[in-house]
Amino acid sequence: NAGVTQTPKFQVLKTGQSMTLQCAQDMNHEYMSWYRQDPGMGLRLIHYSVGAGITDQGEVPNGYNVSRSTTEDFPLRLLSAAPSQTSVYFCASSPGLADSYEQYFGPGTRLTVT
Amino acid sequence: GQNIDQPTEMTATEGAIVQINCTYQTSGFNGLFWYQQHAGEAPTFLSYNVLDGLEEKGRFSSFLSRSKGYSYLLLKELQMKDSASYLCAVRDRGVSNYQLIWGAGTKLIIKP
Repeated sequence: NAGVTQTPKFQVLKTGQSMTLQCAQDMNHEYMSWYRQDPGMGLRLIHYSVGAGITDQGEVPNGYNVSRSTTEDFPLRLLSAAPSQTSVYFCASSPGLADSYEQYFGPGTRLTVT
Repeated sequence: GQNIDQPTEMTATEGAIVQINCTYQTSGFNGLFWYQQHAGEAPTFLSYNVLDGLEEKGRFSSFLSRSKGYSYLLLKELQMKDSASYLCAVRDRGVSNYQLIWGAGTKLIIKP
């Protein structure tokens, strides 16, 4: 199993550009999520999905879109990049939300918006 | 509202013991997780507590007191590879779909 994979690992964008961060998992997990991690702050949830065709907003959804057409893939789209979106982005998956289910994280995408 | 507090940074000596504390305020506690994150890498799962008491897993133990809103992660026989950030996260029934609320993490520096 590859686990959770993310591409690209690094990206530099200019303000106003759009792009898609890719995330895939091969563990047949129903639950997937996108976080951003900024210095001095905890992981913040952007969007999440509890199964194919179902997505919902997290704590900081503005400026981002997601879709979940298959169980495996959960791409994150930046609509019009802003310097405030400079961050490290992690995708995570889990068998479920309840009980002791841990989250499995991808290696992250380091995004800089100039 | 929800809040999680952890010390920003701690220093310890190789071979020693260190305790990393986490205090939380949530409206509907439903479990607490500890993750380890090495610099430049993804977080990885360490432990889970939902009932009061101590959970031991090798050199790592995690303790929970729900009445005090308090947890700690205990690392024994410290090794240089334990230098990392340790993230405390709480699952809250009051947050939509039982989402995790994350602390900012404690950076642990191990000195020889």
